[in-house]
Amino acid sequence: AQSVTQLDSQVPVFEEAPVELRCNYSSSVSVYLFWYVQYPNQGLQLLLKYLSGSTLVKGINGFEAEFNKSQTSFHLRKPSVHISDTAEYFCAVTKGGNTGKLIFGQGTTLQVKP
Amino acid sequence: DAGITQSPRHKVTETGTPVTLRCHQTENHRYMYWYRQDPGHGLRLIHYSYGVKDTDKGEVSDGYSVSRSKTEDFLLTLESATSSQTSVYFCAISEGSSTDTQYFGPGTRLTVL
Repeated sequence: AQSVTQLDSQVPVFEEAPVELRCNYSSSVSVYLFWYVQYPNQGLQLLLKYLSGSTLVKGINGFEAEFNKSQTSFHLRKPSVHISDTAEYFCAVTKGGNTGKLIFGQGTTLQVKP
Repeated sequence: DAGITQSPRHKVTETGTPVTLRCHQTENHRYMYWYRQDPGHGLRLIHYSYGVKDTDKGEVSDGYSVSRSKTEDFLLTLESATSSQTSVYFCAISEGSSTDTQYFGPGTRLTVL
C-alpha cells in the first residue's frame, strides 16, 4: 500500500527567505507524485507533478521539486517566498492505472512572516 | 478555473438525518471524486466515479453512498449523519488517467450536531 508523510506540520519563514517542504512516500511500485496548494477557504490547485524524466520539476509561482527515488522523497522548494505564499501544501501520490486515486499527505502549513 | 461547483457550501444538520451534497461540472471530464478533509489527515478519498453509473469505493467509504446519473453531476449521500462525518468535503474532476491533474471544487463545510 502507498503512503505519504509530510515531515513538518507547520513551517514558519520570513519573507524573501528560501523554504523547503519535505515529503516522503512509500510504495512498492512506480508512482506519480504531485504537490497541491490550498489557499485559505479555497479548494486545492496543482503546483507541479512528477511523471517521469527529469527529476527536477518546475511548477507555478516559482516552486520546484526534486524526485529522489533512492530516498523516496519529493521535497518542494522555493528560493524566495512572498507573503502570498502563505497556504497549506499537500504532497500526493498515485500509482499507474486509470483510476487516478490520490493518496495525500497530512499537509504542511507555510506561514510567511513580514 | 475548471468549472466545478459544489452545493450547498455550508450545512449544519443533526445526527441521524440524511444529507446529500452535490458536485456539478461543466468540463465533461470522465472522472469525479469525493474527498473529505480533516485536520492532521490531509484529504482522504471517499468514493469516485469513472463514468455514468460507474462508481467505486475509496479509503473511507463507510457511511457514504454516491450516485452519478449524468456526466456532470456526482452526488454524495450520508444516509444517517454522525458527528464523525463533520468535515469539509471536496469534489474533484479529472480527464481520467493517473497522470492527469485533478481539479478541485470550492468545498462544502458540513457540521453534524
